Amino acid sequence: GAGVSQSPSNKVTEKGKDVELRCDPISGHTALYWYRQSLGQGLEFLIYFQGNSAPDKSGLPSDRFSAERTGGSVSTLTIQRTQQEDSAVYLCASSLANRGLMNTEAFFGQGTRLTVV
Amino acid sequence: QQQVKQSPQSLIVQKGGISIINCAYENTAFDYFPWYQQFPGKGPALLIAIRPDVSEKKEGRFTISFNKSAKQFSLHIMDSQPGDSATYFCAAVGGDDKIIFGKGTRLHILP
Repeated sequence: GAGVSQSPSNKVTEKGKDVELRCDPISGHTALYWYRQSLGQGLEFLIYFQGNSAPDKSGLPSDRFSAERTGGSVSTLTIQRTQQEDSAVYLCASSLANRGLMNTEAFFGQGTRLTVV
Repeated sequence: QQQVKQSPQSLIVQKGGISIINCAYENTAFDYFPWYQQFPGKGPALLIAIRPDVSEKKEGRFTISFNKSAKQFSLHIMDSQPGDSATYFCAAVGGDDKIIFGKGTRLHILP
């Protein structure tokens, strides 16, 4: 596809269950970001993948959160033992992130709305 | 530690007026400052961006003013229109290409 694709678009889960959120970045984009947006709130940084470098996990709120990026493309964000405070929209973005370029625009997907009941 | 501070949290402007959103940063290693626009139910999209070697960048009705010494930058929307009603995020990017966003400003333009 032409843009960043996230699935599912909506997910309702019971407290304590594990969930997996998927992100398909734009082909050729080396950088991939995950952010969390709570209702009416800003974009909270979670994790950042850049090429073959070790991911920057500094934004993950707890050890229940993890993410991987396979083959430098698709990424999965996993939340274990979900809690009600995990309810939010999870946004994925990708970019070329080439320091030689003047524009390091990040392209966002439409997000996955997670509701923990 | 909030690396990018954005204000105001919400803003109401009359149609035709000027909307102004302000941001301040702390890390002098940041070297790219984009603004993103988000409509309800959509992901943010790049609106306009600036690098610190210039003090101003204008694209149509949107202008970024940048003050390197004060570590501040602002977005000005001239002749604001109802279609500009959205949430606006300033951001800062450093050498590691990690994008740090402000908390956003919900802008409402009165028709």
